[in-house]
Amino acid sequence: AQTVTQSQPEMSVQEAETVTLSCTYDTSESDYYLFWYKQPPSRQMILVIRQEAYKQQNATENRFSVNFQKAAKSFSLKISDSQLGDAAMYFCAYQGGSNYQLIWGAGTKLIIKP
Amino acid sequence: GAVVSQHPSRVICKSGTSVKIECRSLDFQATTMFWYRQFPKQSLMLMATSNEGSKATYEQGVEKDKFLINHASLTLSTLTVTSAHPEDSSFYICSASLSARTYEQYFGPGTRLTVT
Repeated sequence: AQTVTQSQPEMSVQEAETVTLSCTYDTSESDYYLFWYKQPPSRQMILVIRQEAYKQQNATENRFSVNFQKAAKSFSLKISDSQLGDAAMYFCAYQGGSNYQLIWGAGTKLIIKP
Repeated sequence: GAVVSQHPSRVICKSGTSVKIECRSLDFQATTMFWYRQFPKQSLMLMATSNEGSKATYEQGVEKDKFLINHASLTLSTLTVTSAHPEDSSFYICSASLSARTYEQYFGPGTRLTVT
């Protein structure tokens, strides 16, 4: 069975600095998708970034980028120029193979220090 | 982007009563909808997957007679918590996708259920 592990329950970063959130996963599939979702205090889940496993190029969305290491099954999220509005829970999620369900990590709480 | 709404956003009900939560895809047709439950400071737990016009598929440990899911149209799925008890108090989130096999899920804003 696929699993997703986020080993950092909480991270803090100074405003305007860069922070990296870690995510590892386990799967025997070769074709899958990986996601980072943000859940602010409003609790609305917001898609931050997605990565297709067949793409070698790391996905980027403005200040958000990923370091996708397929062989190592690692999918970290880098947030550059951190802003107060980035404070939220961040969840890593996996979707792949014949199972269309999202497999979720436990989440990382990101604190932005002004 | 695709928008999913949930109604109500908050509901308080008495123990033993039933409560219905609606999940609507506002600008697209959702072949598949997912229902999640989220406990405080925890991740999302998938409860069930519903496909339009067919019975929902429940995850192991989720009581299908207690959490009734109906996906009667391509834009509406409902979750009914029957004979609610305080332990059913939680945050319920739905998501919708164009098909079961597409990667994109669009999330509703969630419903806070409190059973007194």
